[in-house]
Amino acid sequence: GAGVSQSPSNKVTEKGKDVELRCDPISGHTALYWYRQSLGQGLEFLIYFQGNSAPDKSGLPSDRFSAERTGGSVSTLTIQRTQQEDSAVYLCASSLVTGSGSYNEQFFGPGTRLTVL
Amino acid sequence: GNSVTQMEGPVTLSEEAFLTINCTYTATGYPSLFWYVQYPGEGLQLLLKATKADDKGSNKGFEATYRKETTSFHLEKGSVQVSDSAVYFCALLTTSGTYKYIFGTGTRLKVLA
Repeated sequence: GAGVSQSPSNKVTEKGKDVELRCDPISGHTALYWYRQSLGQGLEFLIYFQGNSAPDKSGLPSDRFSAERTGGSVSTLTIQRTQQEDSAVYLCASSLVTGSGSYNEQFFGPGTRLTVL
Repeated sequence: GNSVTQMEGPVTLSEEAFLTINCTYTATGYPSLFWYVQYPGEGLQLLLKATKADDKGSNKGFEATYRKETTSFHLEKGSVQVSDSAVYFCALLTTSGTYKYIFGTGTRLKVLA
């Protein structure tokens, strides 16, 4: 597609269940980012990928959170044993390259709204 | 550590009023600075950016100047329109170590006709 897509758009789950959130970046974009947007908290950086590797995982809130990227394209963010405080909008963004060059503009997907009951 | 602080919202203005949204940052090295905008029901999109001190980013009548001496990147527009109503996010890209974006908490702007 023309832009970054994310699925599902909405996910309601019960506390303790595992969830998987998917991101399809713009074709050809080597960098992919995951953020969490909570009410009144702004955007919280979670992790980014350069190709299939993740140079910086420092933003992941706990070891219940993990992410992978395969084929330099699709990425999956997995939250195990979900808690109510995990409820938020999870945003994915991609950019042509990472770094401080001219092509580091991020293009954001519409997000996945996660609600943990 | 690296951080971005922007003014609390919401900001409510009348059409054609002057807009300033303050943004200050703390960072090691020389970050790139950005303003992103989120219109109602839409995803975030880049509004403007500046990559070095004294650079001015501009787009759609908005401007922001990278001020290293005051560690600021305030967003300004001379005459706002109703269509500018949105949430505005200031952000920096760290350039020492790994490349990570740090966002502010966002400022909601409402422009009344």
